[in-house]
Amino acid sequence: DQQVKQNSPSLSVQEGRISILNCDYTNSMFDYFLWYKKYPAEGPTFLISISSIKDKNEDGRFTVFLNKSAKHLSLHIVPSQPGDSAVYFCAASASSGAGSYQLTFGKGTKLSVIP
Amino acid sequence: GAGVSQTPSNKVTEKGKYVELRCDPISGHTALYWYRQSLGQGPEFLIYFQGTGAADDSGLPNDRFFAVRPEGSVSTLKIQRTERGDSAVYLCASSLNPQVNTGELFFGEGSRLTVL
Repeated sequence: DQQVKQNSPSLSVQEGRISILNCDYTNSMFDYFLWYKKYPAEGPTFLISISSIKDKNEDGRFTVFLNKSAKHLSLHIVPSQPGDSAVYFCAASASSGAGSYQLTFGKGTKLSVIP
Repeated sequence: GAGVSQTPSNKVTEKGKYVELRCDPISGHTALYWYRQSLGQGPEFLIYFQGTGAADDSGLPNDRFFAVRPEGSVSTLKIQRTERGDSAVYLCASSLNPQVNTGELFFGEGSRLTVL
């Protein structure tokens, strides 16, 4: 039972265009969401996060949008660069109990930015 | 180094053998986590340490898996009687604050385990 779903295994985008990565969740207890980026043979690195009290968080070229009613979040990368090519994981946590220190990850989306 | 260090980076073993995977967290990080990433999946939580004690081991798949952190720093994940289904990348992470909404988790590069 996947509580965090990334339904697109892969995405190809032209350099300079927008990349949009999507994520859906089913657990209503989740109230904090994160995106991690992973290059081959490296561990995941934190990219950006959002709390459920917000619907948008921006950091440079990266923006995360949260739609709580739809249990959906998305990561926008504008403009996309070849160095953004990596696997992107959506992750979620809850602020109480075990969820406060456990992350539940999606399966990831492999982004390829074509020069 | 300044990051989370994991050894070995690659381990190939035969079914039924015993394996140990080591994690050296960032200095000063009291919270330590083990996750497992199987092929085509996202990382899955295994166990969380706060200091020396395992605060939550609910993610360990069965009693063949065990982890220790005797001095509150280095941790070892131990797998007995390995099975082919144990093949995965085992990721270690550490953080200053265990609450993920206040502190960033720093992951190591992982130990890739292959059970033949």
